[in-house]
Amino acid sequence: KQEVTQIPAALSVPEGENLVLNCSFTDSAIYNLQWFRQDPGKGLTSLLLIQSSQREQTSGRLNASLDKSSGRSTLYIAASQPGDSATYLCAVRRYSSASKIIFGSGTRLSIRP
Amino acid sequence: EAGVTQFPSHSVIEKGQTVTLRCDPISGHDNLYWYRRVMGKEIKFLLHFVKESKQDESGMPNNRFLAERTGGTYSTLKVQPAELEDSGVYFCASTVGGGGGAFFGQGTRLTVV
Repeated sequence: KQEVTQIPAALSVPEGENLVLNCSFTDSAIYNLQWFRQDPGKGLTSLLLIQSSQREQTSGRLNASLDKSSGRSTLYIAASQPGDSATYLCAVRRYSSASKIIFGSGTRLSIRP
Repeated sequence: EAGVTQFPSHSVIEKGQTVTLRCDPISGHDNLYWYRRVMGKEIKFLLHFVKESKQDESGMPNNRFLAERTGGTYSTLKVQPAELEDSGVYFCASTVGGGGGAFFGQGTRLTVV
């Protein structure tokens, strides 16, 4: 059974800092991994998608890495801004493109001005 | 291109009543998923449609929940009769076949009183 864990559950840092959010999964047989952002009362916004054959993806100030063998992914946010405050969710798709997506419980990030 | 849309955005009903949630996936996306987030918990899978067929309904909590996707387009999730523990945010997601990333709707916040 695939389990996805995110650490820390909450994080508060001053504006401008670089930070890393962690995601771990128990079964390395994944199809892809996706990082989402959720703002309060809103839906999920996809940030980055990493296929199982890839090691990392970058979009602007965001960089996500994937290490399947160790069951880990990290989301790196450079030069954090107050607008980055949100809950960040890691989600793993098992086995195939037809498999369900399994979510971690999220990291609630707060960037202090 | 329109994203995944969900109706209503918010619903408040009394225990014992019936509620129907609707999801319109992105046009051309064969895969449609329902998820829900109960207060304080992680986002949990409910079921997965491939076109009009139920691929995986292992996450449906009980027989008070009925999902349909007639014609392989939009989907409905009916809760009948609703119980207090059904309160939460219900998300719908769609993907194109082949393992692309998932696109989520804004969610329906269901409150059962």
